[in-house]
Amino acid sequence: EVQVLESGGDLVLPGGSLRLSCGASGVTLSDYAMTWVRQAPGKGLEWVSTISYSGARTYYADSVRGRFTISRDNSRGTVYLQMGSLRADDTALYYCAREGNIRTASIPQMDVWGEGTTVTVSS
Amino acid sequence: DIVVTQSPVTLSLSPGERATLSCRTNEIIDNYLVWYQQKPGQAPRLLIYDASKRATGVPVRFRGSGSGTDFTLTINSLEPEDFAVYYCQERSHWPRGTFGQGTKVEMK
Repeated sequence: EVQVLESGGDLVLPGGSLRLSCGASGVTLSDYAMTWVRQAPGKGLEWVSTISYSGARTYYADSVRGRFTISRDNSRGTVYLQMGSLRADDTALYYCAREGNIRTASIPQMDVWGEGTTVTVSS
Repeated sequence: DIVVTQSPVTLSLSPGERATLSCRTNEIIDNYLVWYQQKPGQAPRLLIYDASKRATGVPVRFRGSGSGTDFTLTINSLEPEDFAVYYCQERSHWPRGTFGQGTKVEMK
């Protein structure tokens, strides 16, 4: 069974930094683009960032561009989200999702999700 | 940015009834529309992609339809495990994608 697992969530002061990690079992992550999606408490889903399978291309939501950096180490099978200049509105459950290459799909789809890791930004 | 609007916010139905959820975008997105199901305390689950294709393991009672700007998720004969929040997401500029605010299907 393919599983994705996030870690690194914590309580951090406004203006602080944090690095989230995403790994997987049952699959080689280096074959896939990977995406971070977040969900503020009691709110909906927000696409945050995506990295291509090789790491050559990265994409960011306007709300995090310039503050967050997505990267990956395929030798370790891990994707990272380096978060800086954190604000209270970054408080959320951060999910990592695989962009699966479904044979019948026109584009990759977020087909495997982790359970999320919680980031709380508060003084 | 593309705006995605889901309606209704909440749908109160009984098991066995049909649920009809709407998702609209303010720009034409062809069929780049995805539906997810999220239960309390769980991660989202991919249900429908390319507006109408069921993901692996999704029961046939879930049907997606629509193209352009208007999309629908229909759940025929609700089962107890179908009561959840459903999100649509446009992905016309993959990998970016705006989510709708969600529709909660609750048991009447």
